[in-house]
Amino acid sequence: AQSVTQLDSQVPVFEEAPVELRCNYSSSVSVYLFWYVQYPNQGLQLLLKYLSGSTLVKGINGFEAEFNKSQTSFHLRKPSVHISDTAEYFCAVRDNYGQNFVFGPGTRLSVLP
Amino acid sequence: NAGVTQTPKFRILKIGQSMTLQCAQDMNHNYMYWYRQDPGMGLKLIYYSVGAGITDKGEVPNGYNVSRSTTEYFPLRLELAAPSQTSVYFCASTRVGTDTQYFGPGTRLTVL
Repeated sequence: AQSVTQLDSQVPVFEEAPVELRCNYSSSVSVYLFWYVQYPNQGLQLLLKYLSGSTLVKGINGFEAEFNKSQTSFHLRKPSVHISDTAEYFCAVRDNYGQNFVFGPGTRLSVLP
Repeated sequence: NAGVTQTPKFRILKIGQSMTLQCAQDMNHNYMYWYRQDPGMGLKLIYYSVGAGITDKGEVPNGYNVSRSTTEYFPLRLELAAPSQTSVYFCASTRVGTDTQYFGPGTRLTVL
């Protein structure tokens, strides 16, 4: 079975500053990795995903994430955040043979003016 | 395309009542999912379906039932509502081979 840890439940950051949201996972098999964003009172929207190939993955809205197999991590980064990035961010994993997605508890990013 | 739609948006139930949460998608996706979201807990998978007539349990299936008679619809049934089922419910769908889940706007359910 897989599990996902997002150590930071809340991350406040000033506008135009860089941000990193951490995600660690555990699994006994190969996995696919995802980051989703949830704006207030909305459903989730895919930011980016890692299936295979380059470990640095670029997504929408200027976000990127790096897959580190040895550290079982998939941290999300953005070099300069905007007020509009204020949202909750979820890391998720899926094993590469099933359809059971496992989500982390989420990190609430607050961008301050 | 409307994408993934869910009805109702809000509902209050009394303990022991039953209801069906509706989910529909117009993208001809094979895979569909039901999640519940509780504060600080992320999303938990309740049931999923890989095609019409095929469903399987997720992490937290107790107290729920699903059916999938067509590709488009994937209703979630609560037979005897309990306060522990107070949550926000999300339906999602995926096209085979893409791994991108498309989520509906959610149904906020309160059981009193």
